[in-house]
Amino acid sequence: AQSVTQPDIHITVSEGASLELRCNYSYGATPYLFWYVQSPGQGLQLLLKYFSGDTLVQGIKGFEAEFKRSQSSFNLRKPSVHWSDAAEYFCAVVAWGKLQFGAGTQVVVTP
Amino acid sequence: DTAVSQTPKYLVTQMGNDKSIKCEQNLGHDTMYWYKQDSKKFLKIMFSYNNKELIINETVPNRFSPKSPDKAHLNLHINSLELGDSAVYFCASSLQGAGNTIYFGEGSWLTVV
Repeated sequence: AQSVTQPDIHITVSEGASLELRCNYSYGATPYLFWYVQSPGQGLQLLLKYFSGDTLVQGIKGFEAEFKRSQSSFNLRKPSVHWSDAAEYFCAVVAWGKLQFGAGTQVVVTP
Repeated sequence: DTAVSQTPKYLVTQMGNDKSIKCEQNLGHDTMYWYKQDSKKFLKIMFSYNNKELIINETVPNRFSPKSPDKAHLNLHINSLELGDSAVYFCASSLQGAGNTIYFGEGSWLTVV
């Protein structure tokens, strides 16, 4: 069973515009949730994570994510994107002792 | 001062060959992983070791054999390479525990021709 769903395979956004990437998880217990970013030809870098406390989590590079238990969601946002934000973004959840990734969302930034 | 380093970064080899990818971490972590990223960018865990002991072994062909000589190293040996083994292989490490951050290496791009 898929633990993490990222509904958007590809998003195009203009530089300076806001960005929201969707993530839904299916896991009964309290989830440990993560967002990673992968720039072309690079490894994965952690943007932020959530496992308890304040449901609005601040991360690096100006990103934030909000955990909504009622919607089983952990959406990633950035108020104003920069050209350097063009990358692949992965949502992940620790389920059954394993970090399981969504299929990723590719973000393209246009001038 | 790379935290998780893996070599080689690029590897092109013929079908049937045997190859190894090496991984080292200098973060003092006790848990190491191998992930495979396929051509559609999907990431899936293959193996996990904690203090040199295998703790996760996903449904991976037994042509893939991980070896952890110590908790800072986790190598991946692949026998009889097949076209379908072409992928990016990521090594990663963390402290044991579900909420701990997993740190990834930069990946090894394996192409089997």
